Amino acid sequence: NAGVTQTPKFRVLKTGQSMTLLCAQDMNHEYMYWYRQDPGMGLRLIHYSVGEGTTAKGEVPDGYNVSRLKKQNFLLGLESAAPSQTSVYFCASSLWGPNTEAFFGQGTRLTVV
Amino acid sequence: ELKVEQNPLFLSMQEGKNYTIYCNYSTTSDRLYWYRQDPGKSLESLFVLLSNGAVKQEGRLMASLDTKARLSTLHITAAVHDLSATYFCAANFGNEKLTFGTGTRLTIIP
Repeated sequence: NAGVTQTPKFRVLKTGQSMTLLCAQDMNHEYMYWYRQDPGMGLRLIHYSVGEGTTAKGEVPDGYNVSRLKKQNFLLGLESAAPSQTSVYFCASSLWGPNTEAFFGQGTRLTVV
Repeated sequence: ELKVEQNPLFLSMQEGKNYTIYCNYSTTSDRLYWYRQDPGKSLESLFVLLSNGAVKQEGRLMASLDTKARLSTLHITAAVHDLSATYFCAANFGNEKLTFGTGTRLTIIP
């Protein structure tokens, strides 16, 4: 069972470079989320989607963009990476939102130098 | 402000001892989740608590919810090394998101 799969697992970027993180889920979930995890800060929501073709801002959306063109995929983009975006990024999905269990991907460790 | 606070942030305890992690939240929550994260790994769902007085137990872990006090606890009984991990609580405040606490890093010392 694949569940939630994130690509890549690790990445090093130079300041100003761009990249896209891919999240894929095979559980037919409606809701998908992108979080970042930083020491002492817990998980903070970047963007989320309540269904195919929808996106919404979370707590810390600045510097990120997202797209949900297909129900199973949720892409997180960094247009011009900054050192402050060094973090571990987690994607999650749930069937019908926070009243249903969320399943997390394995994380992407991103370093911006 | 919608906030979830956990304490302690760090906890070292000896094997065989009991301890409790506390999770306070700022306003009415529909439900409360507990997750476990091993170092370098993803988050794994442990419990979901749906109503006042709810109690869930699995092995040496027991979670409870007091909605009047806006408090959930995760109690560890007779700790063993395998329980070393970071534990997160998360609340839903009636919107489309989960709000996470900062996590409690638990280290069990032999």
